Amino acid sequence: EAGVAQSPRYKIIEKRQSVAFWCNPISGHATLYWYQQILGQGPKLLIQFQNNGVVDDSQLPKDRFSAERLKGVDSTLKIQPAKLEDSAVYLCASSNRDRGLYEQYFGPGTRLTVT
Amino acid sequence: AQSVTQPDIHITVSEGASLELRCNYSYGATPYLFWYVQSPGQGLQLLLKYFSGDTLVQGIKGFEAEFKRSQSSFNLRKPSVHWSDAAEYFCAVRTSYDKVIFGPGTSLSVIP
Repeated sequence: EAGVAQSPRYKIIEKRQSVAFWCNPISGHATLYWYQQILGQGPKLLIQFQNNGVVDDSQLPKDRFSAERLKGVDSTLKIQPAKLEDSAVYLCASSNRDRGLYEQYFGPGTRLTVT
Repeated sequence: AQSVTQPDIHITVSEGASLELRCNYSYGATPYLFWYVQSPGQGLQLLLKYFSGDTLVQGIKGFEAEFKRSQSSFNLRKPSVHWSDAAEYFCAVRTSYDKVIFGPGTSLSVIP
C-alpha cells in the first residue's frame, strides 16, 4: 500500500512570495489533514477535510493560507503572501477507519524556509 | 477545550536507565491516544496507540504506555533507554470528528 505522498520536499522562498504544497493521501482515505510544525513544537492542525468538505479550519490563517481538496482525493495548501514566521514543516496526513479502528498516516512533510 | 499537555520540555537520561514521559489530555469522552517519535529531520513514527480495553499498551522499540482515566494521563515508559532513543516525543489525542491534537513534545537526550 502506497503511503501519503507530498511534494515538494523542500522549498525556499522570499517573504511576500507565494508557495503551494501538494498532498496525495492513501487511496480510499476520506479524511485529510494539514499540519504546521514549527521547529521545536508539536504539529498544529491547520485544516481537516472529510472527503472534499472542510471539518475544521479554525487555526488556518485565512488571510494568507488557503487549501482545497478537489474531488475528495488530492489536496493543495497555498500560502500567499508568505511571512518569515511561516517557516516550518508542513505535514499532510490521512486517516481511515478499519473495522471501527482509527488509523492516521503521515507523509514525509514539506520543509518551507522563508527568507 | 480539548488539549494535550506534556509537562516536561526536555529530559536527559543515562543509557540503560528507565524512562517515563508524561502526557495529560483534556477531552470529555473516551479518547483515542497516541505516542509518536520524531528523530531530527525525520517524519513522525507511531510508537503505540490506545483505543479501548487493556489500559497498558505495548508499542514498538520496547515502549509501553498506561492509560489512567482518573488522572487523564497516558504516560510513556521504557525500562532501559538506548542511545538511539534520543528524539522528540509527541503525545496526541483523537477527539470528535477524528480531529487529532498534538502536545508540544518532550525532547529526550541520552547520556552514554
